[in-house]
Parts: sequence; C-alpha cells; structure tokens
Amino acid sequence: QLQLQESGPGLVKPSETLSLTCTVSGGSISSSSYYWGWIRQPPGKGLEWIGSIYYSGSTYYNPSLKSRVTISVDTSKNQFSLKLSSVTAADTAVYYCARSTLFDYWGQGTLVTVSS
Amino acid sequence: QLVLTQSPSASASLGASVKLTCTLSSGHSSYAIAWHQQQPEKGPRYLMKLNSDGSHSKGDGIPDRFSGSSSGAERYLTISSLQSEDEADYYCQTWGTGAWVFGGGTKLTVL
Repeated sequence: QLQLQESGPGLVKPSETLSLTCTVSGGSISSSSYYWGWIRQPPGKGLEWIGSIYYSGSTYYNPSLKSRVTISVDTSKNQFSLKLSSVTAADTAVYYCARSTLFDYWGQGTLVTVSS
Repeated sequence: QLVLTQSPSASASLGASVKLTCTLSSGHSSYAIAWHQQQPEKGPRYLMKLNSDGSHSKGDGIPDRFSGSSSGAERYLTISSLQSEDEADYYCQTWGTGAWVFGGGTKLTVL
C-alpha cells in the first residue's frame, strides 16, 4: 500500500522560507506513470494546488505561487520536497503531498503556521 | 481557463440519496475529473476518477453507495443510502497541460 508522509517545521517566521519533505513508501517515486504534488488548505478554506513534479525533475507550478515555489525530487531517498519563500500569514495552512494525476494517495497533512 | 464550479452546500436526509454537481469551464467538457471526500478534521480521501462518458473507477475500499455520472460539462457524484459519516466536504479536481485545479468544494450536511 502506497503511503506518503509530510515532514518539516510547524512554525515559520514571516519573510522566511517554508521547507517540507514528502517521503513515499510502498512504491517507487520513479514510476513513469505519475507526477507527485503539493496541495495546501488554509484554515476553514478549500484545497489549493501548489505544484507537481515528475521523477525526472520536470515541474509545474500554480501561477499564483510560481515566483515563490520550488519543488524538487530525490529519487535515491524516494522523497520530494517543497520550498516556499517569503512567507506571510496568508501561507498558514495544512500542507499535503499526494500522488498525481488523480491525487489518489494523500499524506496525512502537516500544519504550518507563519508567525513571529 | 480551466475552472471547476461547485455549489457551496447541499443537504439530504439520512438514508436518502444526494447528487453533487461539478461543472467544467467552457471548452473543457471532455475532461475527466476526480472526486475527493474530506470528513471533518481529516485529510482528503480519493473517491473516484470520472470520465466524460460517465465511466468511473473508484479508489480502494470506496463503498458501492458512491457512484459517478456525466452530462456535457457536468460531472456528478451520487451518494445513496446516506450515512452520518458521509457528512463531509466534497471536492472535484481536474488537470490540464501543466495545471491541476480544484473546485471550491461542497459541504454536505446529512439531516
């Protein structure tokens, strides 16, 4: 059974960079059939796609976040990572990783709070 | 622009059926979508992939009470024999060239 697990700091200061890692188990991130994505959900709001990456490193980003987002992959560790720079309180959210295209497998999510 | 539109809320009685709607933006009526369920205080759960012809493939362990159908740019999720645990937010989601999109979600209340 494929499993995804997010990890990273739960508190980030304004203007700093949010960094999260998603570890995939039960399957290979190098599968040619899938992208791997990051999604977030601010408190009380809906789901927002942040970006997706293929095992080769090809990436796609939400245009509204593109200038601040970097997603990378480490196939040797079966992990992919998210960096979001210059964060503000508006970036406070639960961050999920999931297998694209369908987002058929999700991590449990991790709450990241942006506060000084 | 690829956009998915959902009604913010819906309600139905315990044991009844409900049909939730997700509408694809103009020019995208052939797109497949996915439906996801998010119960209170939990993460999203993949329900199914729904194609433009109405064929669908459900995720592991999804009960037969959940089904999908399509008509033009509309994609539907029907839940029959509603149970209390079906009270949740339901999101549709699709993908295009280099972009993934979520609908705004429908909050389903089971009366």
